[in-house]
Amino acid sequence: DQQVKQNSPSLSVQEGRISILNCDYTNSMFDYFLWYKKYPAEGPTFLISISSIKDKNEDGRFTVFLNKSAKHLSLHIVPSQPGDSAVYFCAANDNAGGTSYGKLTFGQGTILTVHP
Amino acid sequence: NAGVMQNPRHLVRRRGQEARLRCSPMKGHSHVYWYRQLPEEGLKFMVYLQKENIIDESGMPKERFSAEFPKEGPSILRIQQVVRGDSAAYFCATSSGGSTDTQYFGPGTRLTVL
Repeated sequence: DQQVKQNSPSLSVQEGRISILNCDYTNSMFDYFLWYKKYPAEGPTFLISISSIKDKNEDGRFTVFLNKSAKHLSLHIVPSQPGDSAVYFCAANDNAGGTSYGKLTFGQGTILTVHP
Repeated sequence: NAGVMQNPRHLVRRRGQEARLRCSPMKGHSHVYWYRQLPEEGLKFMVYLQKENIIDESGMPKERFSAEFPKEGPSILRIQQVVRGDSAAYFCATSSGGSTDTQYFGPGTRLTVL
C-alpha cells in the first residue's frame, strides 16, 4: 500500500530553468510534509517542509506547494543548478493521529538531472 | 547529515550470519529512527526508539530483527540469520524530539547478503 507516490522516476532540466517535482498521497490523515534530497552513498538531507495549515512554503530557491483537496504537493526549484542533481524524496507524517513523533512515510523518489 | 554516524558503511554477510548495524546520534539528540531502503524503492520506517525504550516497532519484521538504544552507546539494529532479501541500505535518523523536529540522517549502512 503505497501511501505516498512519486510517479515520475526521473526528470531532466536545463540549468537556470525551473524544476518541478510532484508527489501524491492517499492518506488524508497526513498533515505534515517534507522534501529530502539524497546524493549517492549519502543519507537523505532535509530540504523543506510544509504543514497542512499552509499551502505554500518558500526557502530561497526552493518552494513547496500543497493542494490538500487534490492530495498533491510539489517542489519547485528556481533556478535549477547542476549541483541540484540528486534523488528527491517526498515524505509525510501524521501528527494529529496521535503519533507525537516523526514516523515518516516516503515516496519512491525522483532522480533530478540538471544539465549545464 | 552532520553529526549522525553509522558504522559500518558497508557490511557483507553470508546467509545465516548475524548483522549488527550501529547508529550514533547527533549531539543532543535522544530520538532514533531506523529506515530501510530496498533497491529501487523509497525509505521504509522500521522502528523508533528513545533512550532505553522502543516506542514504535510497527515497521520491523516480526522475526530476526531487533533494535535497542541503551543508556550509553549507540543504537543497534540487529538482524539474525540474514537472508538475501535483507540486502538493502539501512539508514538511521535522529532528532531532538517532537513530530515536526527535523530528522537528520546518517550516511547509511549498505548490507549485502551473499
